[in-house]
Amino acid sequence: DTAVSQTPKYLVTQMGNDKSIKCEQNLGHDTMYWYKQDSKKFLKIMFSYNNKELIINETVPNRFSPKSPDKAHLNLHINSLELGDSAVYFCASSPRLAGLSTDTQYFGPGTRLTVL
Amino acid sequence: GDSVTQMEGPVTLSEEAFLTINCTYTATGYPSLFWYVQYPGEGLQLLLKATKADDKGSNKGFEATYRKETTSFHLEKGSVQVSDSAVYFCALSDPQGGSEKLVFGKGTKLTVNP
Repeated sequence: DTAVSQTPKYLVTQMGNDKSIKCEQNLGHDTMYWYKQDSKKFLKIMFSYNNKELIINETVPNRFSPKSPDKAHLNLHINSLELGDSAVYFCASSPRLAGLSTDTQYFGPGTRLTVL
Repeated sequence: GDSVTQMEGPVTLSEEAFLTINCTYTATGYPSLFWYVQYPGEGLQLLLKATKADDKGSNKGFEATYRKETTSFHLEKGSVQVSDSAVYFCALSDPQGGSEKLVFGKGTKLTVNP
């Protein structure tokens, strides 16, 4: 059974389009995250949610809007896609906020977004 | 603020060579330290962790010791295999520092040749 799953795995789209990436975890965790990994493998946190409440919102353009319908899901919607949005996006989860605990984060397989 | 510095890559080794990837940190409180590994085409997964000074984390032949005096958590393996080729990330959590996120280093890419 997949612990943290993301769909789609690959997403190729034109500039200006709107797209969504879905994430689901079946670990019973309270906290979920979105990360962006650039071409140099640098990992940057975008958002975190704890019990469906937004906790971390880094300096991300407001074209990016996360939505957490329940504790097991955290989706990422991106409006008006730009070339610079091309990256791999990872969803992750942990029992508690990772920065405030010794909890391990569990990562999904990633979604490779290519904006043409 | 808290930060993690790890050695620049890429690192290329021959099979059975000794591996060290350096990681140092700055933190406000008493952080927990982690090594995550990312195999090609996959997400990150925990390799090992240590939650207090002098703890040694170990897994799959990898080891790292939490050194408070040198603020370091260097990753070592005595004999690497081709299957160890991956990107390795050092990270910390610092509850006393008040940050609600893991702080990651920039990653070190390791390639092991047969």
